[in-house]
Amino acid sequence: KNQVEQSPQSLIILEGKNCTLQCNYTVSPFSNLRWYKQDTGRGPVSLTIMTFSENTKSNGRYTATLDADTKQSSLHITASQLSDSASYICVVRNTNAGKSTFGDGTTLTVKP
Amino acid sequence: DADVTQTPRNRITKTGKRIMLECSQTKGHDRMYWYRQDPGLGLRLIYYSFDVKDINKGEISDGYSVSRQAQAKFSLSLESAIPNQTALYFCATSGPATGWGTGELFFGEGSRLTVL
Repeated sequence: KNQVEQSPQSLIILEGKNCTLQCNYTVSPFSNLRWYKQDTGRGPVSLTIMTFSENTKSNGRYTATLDADTKQSSLHITASQLSDSASYICVVRNTNAGKSTFGDGTTLTVKP
Repeated sequence: DADVTQTPRNRITKTGKRIMLECSQTKGHDRMYWYRQDPGLGLRLIYYSFDVKDINKGEISDGYSVSRQAQAKFSLSLESAIPNQTALYFCATSGPATGWGTGELFFGEGSRLTVL
């Protein structure tokens, strides 16, 4: 069964600190992995996409990594800001009809 | 204006009532989806449509129905609402699934439904 597991479930950090969110998946055959940011009460928005051949990709203060061998991804947030407070969702897409499997998300709270 | 628009944004109704949530998009995408989100849980797929004549059940379709009236419009109906259908509902669209780097989902702002 295709699954996506995220950890931790929730995280509280102080403004300016760094953090790393984890995503493990069993989706096969793998097409790509996206990290979405969902602000409270809003729809998710894509932050970055990782394909099979990519190990690291940055988008401003967000850096995603992918290890396709161990089926793990991480999202590292550098110098956190209050506006980073949100839920971060890992979504893995397979090549069978392009179906996407969602993780339950990590809720990040950045405190001043 | 938003690329994916959902109406209503909030709705309170009573058990047994029929409810329709509407979604329209200006992205020109063929693929449209309805998801449900419960607190602390991930998004779960209710129905999806890859073109106007295509309707597919997702993982939690029981109690729901959909209508794809046009390429840009996809409606979700609850024929007889029940309290455990209280949730946040999202419509989403995506482009064609060919090649790498595809499949990005573009979400609406959500419709919060409360069934009393």
